[in-house]
Amino acid sequence: ETGVTQTPRHLVMGMTNKKSLKCEQHLGHNAMYWYKQSAKKPLELMFVYNFKEQTENNSVPSRFSPECPNSSHLFLHLHTLQPEDSALYLCASSQATEQYFGPGTRLTVT
Amino acid sequence: SQQGEEDPQALSIQEGENATMNCSYKTSINNLQWYRQNSGRGLVHLILIRSNEREKHSGRLRVTLDTSKKSSSLLITASRAADTASYFCATGSGGSYIPTFGRGTSLIVHP
Repeated sequence: ETGVTQTPRHLVMGMTNKKSLKCEQHLGHNAMYWYKQSAKKPLELMFVYNFKEQTENNSVPSRFSPECPNSSHLFLHLHTLQPEDSALYLCASSQATEQYFGPGTRLTVT
Repeated sequence: SQQGEEDPQALSIQEGENATMNCSYKTSINNLQWYRQNSGRGLVHLILIRSNEREKHSGRLRVTLDTSKKSSSLLITASRAADTASYFCATGSGGSYIPTFGRGTSLIVHP
């Protein structure tokens, strides 16, 4: 247990659906991150939030929409996804150096 | 930021043996981190080494950093079946601790 929780753990959605991934950290960290992990690829940083403000968006398609209402919560809103978006989506938080990861949401787009 | 490349991609050893994984990178860094990931789970931070450090230890883990060769190694001594996981190096540069991850080394430790 790292202090970072993610829900749901598994999600299957059609290409026309809208769904949201949720991340919560109980560590008092000021930064939160979304990563995408696909098979055979390095972990891809998607978004970074510092003190609720988005500081990085690594050219992520607009069908992924992040939301950070406070320093403890982070959402990833999904709509009109493609099958190639199927992956493990990981949330992480940090205070200064090392990152603490949640268990991930395994997303399958059909 | 640029990613490290781990070598080998896969490593299979017997319990009790040592496991060594290497990471090479291309441009200057100010820190390098190693993470472990059990299958389908989140990553767990193992150790951070800064560019002015050459070696760090944590339990059965030993990490070295050679900035002249732009490489790092992770040594796990007396491996256990529970060490079976993927291991990633992640580099940080320009004052940033936001890591850029490599593809990882898949380690299997046979009981």
